[in-house]
Amino acid sequence: NAGVTQTPKFRILKIGQSMTLQCAQDMNHNYMYWYRQDPGMGLKLIYYSVGAGITDKGEVPNGYNVSRSTTEDFPLRLELAAPSQTSVYFCASSYSNRLAGTYEQYFGPGTRLTVT
Amino acid sequence: AQSVTQLDSQVPVFEEAPVELRCNYSSSVSVYLFWYVQYPNQGLQLLLKYLSGSTLVESINGFEAEFNKSQTSFHLRKPSVHISDTAEYFCAVSGDYGGSQGNLIFGKGTKLSVKP
Repeated sequence: NAGVTQTPKFRILKIGQSMTLQCAQDMNHNYMYWYRQDPGMGLKLIYYSVGAGITDKGEVPNGYNVSRSTTEDFPLRLELAAPSQTSVYFCASSYSNRLAGTYEQYFGPGTRLTVT
Repeated sequence: AQSVTQLDSQVPVFEEAPVELRCNYSSSVSVYLFWYVQYPNQGLQLLLKYLSGSTLVESINGFEAEFNKSQTSFHLRKPSVHISDTAEYFCAVSGDYGGSQGNLIFGKGTKLSVKP
């Protein structure tokens, strides 16, 4: 298993440009998440999805959009990039059901984004 | 609402010394607790977790953490650290943000620096 994969690893955007961060998992996990990590601030949840076709906002969703058309993929879209979106972005996935609950998340290697 | 406080942002120690990374959480419901480790320029990896049962949990590389419900703590300890333990460590608690039991609330991280 490749686990959780993210592309690209690095990207530099100009203010106002758009881009999509790709995330895929091959563990058949139903839950997927997008976080951003800023120095000294831990991880902040941007959006999450509990299954294909279902997404919801996390703590810091402004300026981002997501979609979940398949179980495997969970892309994150930045429409009008701003310097405040300079960060490291992590995608994660986990498995949940009524009996097992929802436990550990598995993380991708991250995408380092700079907006100038 | 749940929250996680990591009391030390940086912990410098000498090789072979013991270390404790402190984590306190607040929650009005039963929780699952996790420690993740992040090596430089990598994603987060699960180090250990508490779901239920024994309050002392161990990792394969010598770390242990103890769930203390009365003190709402989940401190991470290692009796003798190695240079390779240098990393950032994140404490996390399962949250019900937005109604999803799968979401994690992260602390801001503790950077462990092991010196020779």
